[in-house]
Amino acid sequence: AQTVTQSQPEMSVQEAETVTLSCTYDTSENNYYLFWYKQPPSRQMILVIRQEAYKQQNATENRFSVNFQKAAKSFSLKISDSQLGDTAMYFCAFMKHGGNNDMRFGAGTRLTVKP
Amino acid sequence: EAQVTQNPRYLITVTGKKLTVTCSQNMNHEYMSWYRQDPGLGLRQIYYSMNVEVTDKGDVPEGYKVSRKEKRNFPLILESPSPNQTSLYFCATGQLSSLREQYFGPGTRLTVT
Repeated sequence: AQTVTQSQPEMSVQEAETVTLSCTYDTSENNYYLFWYKQPPSRQMILVIRQEAYKQQNATENRFSVNFQKAAKSFSLKISDSQLGDTAMYFCAFMKHGGNNDMRFGAGTRLTVKP
Repeated sequence: EAQVTQNPRYLITVTGKKLTVTCSQNMNHEYMSWYRQDPGLGLRQIYYSMNVEVTDKGDVPEGYKVSRKEKRNFPLILESPSPNQTSLYFCATGQLSSLREQYFGPGTRLTVT
């Protein structure tokens, strides 16, 4: 079974600085997707970024980028120019291609952006 | 507007009193799923459905039931709720033919006393 590990329960960063959230996963699959979801105080789950395992190029979305290391099974999220609105819980998630499409989530990292 | 709705958003109930949390989507997605979120555990899948009348257990199905009589609706039923089912519940949907992500509802905060 796939497992997702987020080793940083809490992190903080100063506004305008850069922060990196860590995620590792365990799988024997070759085709899969990796995700970072943001959960602000409203509790809504918001997709931040998605990476397809067959793509070597790291995904980017504006200030958000990932460092995808397939061999190391690592998928970190970098937030540049942090903003107060980035304060949220961040979840890393894994989804196998095909099968029952079950998404496996890490325990989450609570990020606080300080003014 | 494409959306996933859940009702109720908040519910406080007592042990043993049957309840249903509804989930509805207007995106014609085949795939629907229920998750529960607990501190330190992330989100865990309860049940999922690949299409109408097709449902299957996820990782934590004990104490829950689901049905999928219509494509747009996927209610979560707690026949006899217990305090360990106090949690935040999310419904999620996806297009099976190109399932590259899941779309989440706004969440339902359930407290069982």
